[in-house]
Amino acid sequence: EVQLVESGGGLVQPGGSLRLSCSASGFTFSSYALHWVRQAPGKGLEYVSSISSSGGSTYYAVSVKGRFTISRDNSKNTLYLQMSSLGAEDTAVYYCVKTRSSNWYTAFDIWGQGTMVTVSS
Amino acid sequence: EIVLTQSPGTLSLSPGERATLSCRASQSVSSSYLAWHQQKPGQAPRLLIYGASSRATGIPDRFSGSGSGTDFTLTISRLEPEDFAVYYCQQYDSSPWTFGQGTKVEIK
Repeated sequence: EVQLVESGGGLVQPGGSLRLSCSASGFTFSSYALHWVRQAPGKGLEYVSSISSSGGSTYYAVSVKGRFTISRDNSKNTLYLQMSSLGAEDTAVYYCVKTRSSNWYTAFDIWGQGTMVTVSS
Repeated sequence: EIVLTQSPGTLSLSPGERATLSCRASQSVSSSYLAWHQQKPGQAPRLLIYGASSRATGIPDRFSGSGSGTDFTLTISRLEPEDFAVYYCQQYDSSPWTFGQGTKVEIK
C-alpha cells in the first residue's frame, strides 16, 4: 500500500524554525516528484513547494521562498521541509503529496494525513 | 500564475440528485492538466479526477470530469451520502501549481 506519513509539526513561536518530515512506503520513492501543500484552519488548499525525483530541482511558492527549504533523502525514502522565520500566516496543516510520475507536472495522486504547525507565542 | 475560480461556493442538494461543479482558469490549461480532489472534514484530500476526465483508481463511475482550455466541470451523477464534502480543482500545467478555492457540497 502506498503511504505517506508526515511528522514534525507542533507549536512554535513567531520567528522560530521547524523541520517537517514525510516518510514514504509502498512505492519506488526515488522515481517520483513530491510536493508540500498546506491548509490553514478553515481555509482552502495552498501550494507550498516541490522537488524533483532526484532532488536536483526545487520550486517554492512566493509566500515561502527564502524561508522554507525542501529536500529529500532517497536512501531513507523521506521528504523534508525546513521552515524558518515562521509567522502566524504559516499556521496550517502541512500535507506531503506524491505525483503520478517523475515529471512534476503530473497529477497529485497520493496525500499524506498531514501534520499541524501552529505559530503562536 | 494560473488562477482557478470555482463556482458555486456552496451547493445544497439532496442524496440522489445530480451535482455540477465548475472550475474556470484565468488562462488556458494545456493538455487538460486539470485535477479534482475531494476532501471530507478532518481528512486529507483525495484525488478523484486527473487529465480533466480520467478517474483515479477506485473512484466510482458516478464521478465524471469534462472540459478543456479554461472551463472544466466535475459532475456527480447521483449523490451518495458519502459524497457530501468539499471539492477542489487544481492545475498542474505550470508552476506554481494552483488550487481553486473549493466548492462545498452540502446536504439540503
